[in-house]
Amino acid sequence: EVQMEESGGGLVQPGGSLRLSCVASGFTFSTYEMNWVRQAPGKGLEWVSYISGSSRTIYYADSVKGRFTISRDNAKNSLFLQMDSLRVEDTAVYYCARENLIATAGDFDHWGRGTLVTVSS
Amino acid sequence: SFELTQPPSVSVSPGQTATITCSGDKLGDQFVCWYQQKPGQSPVVVIYEDSKRPSGIPERFSGSNSGNTATLTISGTQPMDEADYYCQAWDNGALFGGGTKLTVL
Repeated sequence: EVQMEESGGGLVQPGGSLRLSCVASGFTFSTYEMNWVRQAPGKGLEWVSYISGSSRTIYYADSVKGRFTISRDNAKNSLFLQMDSLRVEDTAVYYCARENLIATAGDFDHWGRGTLVTVSS
Repeated sequence: SFELTQPPSVSVSPGQTATITCSGDKLGDQFVCWYQQKPGQSPVVVIYEDSKRPSGIPERFSGSNSGNTATLTISGTQPMDEADYYCQAWDNGALFGGGTKLTVL
């Protein structure tokens, strides 16, 4: 069974940092492209970042570019998101999401339960 | 910049057909997928590549995409289908529509 569990969320002051983790199981992690998607309270979904299986290709949303860093450790089946210079508007539930391996245009076929990041003074 | 526009809300009676649209410039030129999200839960993909249903998704869910509009159709809508629905495409990263709250009453 595919499982992904995020951790590392919490309360942080504006300008602070957090590191989110997502541990995966039930599939060959290294072969899958992975993403972070966030959802502000009561709002819609917003894509944050993408990383290829080999980590060679990385993309960011303009809203986080230069502040967030995505990475992965395939040996530990883990995905990370280093979040620096956090802003109030970064407050959201952060989900790790796996891309569909067989789809031409990758949909997100599995999602974690999410971890809440609250940026507030 | 490319945007995906969904109606904020759609209402349907049980057993009727619900139609949720997603509009974007030349959206039909790319693949669209749809997610269902119930309160307090993570999103679940119900349609990918415009019209394909993942394993375990009921046949009453179908999708299409042409011109500037993608459409999610739920035939014989059930109370359990009440949820938020999001369309998604790709434009320099994944792009989501604003979401549509489907009410079954």
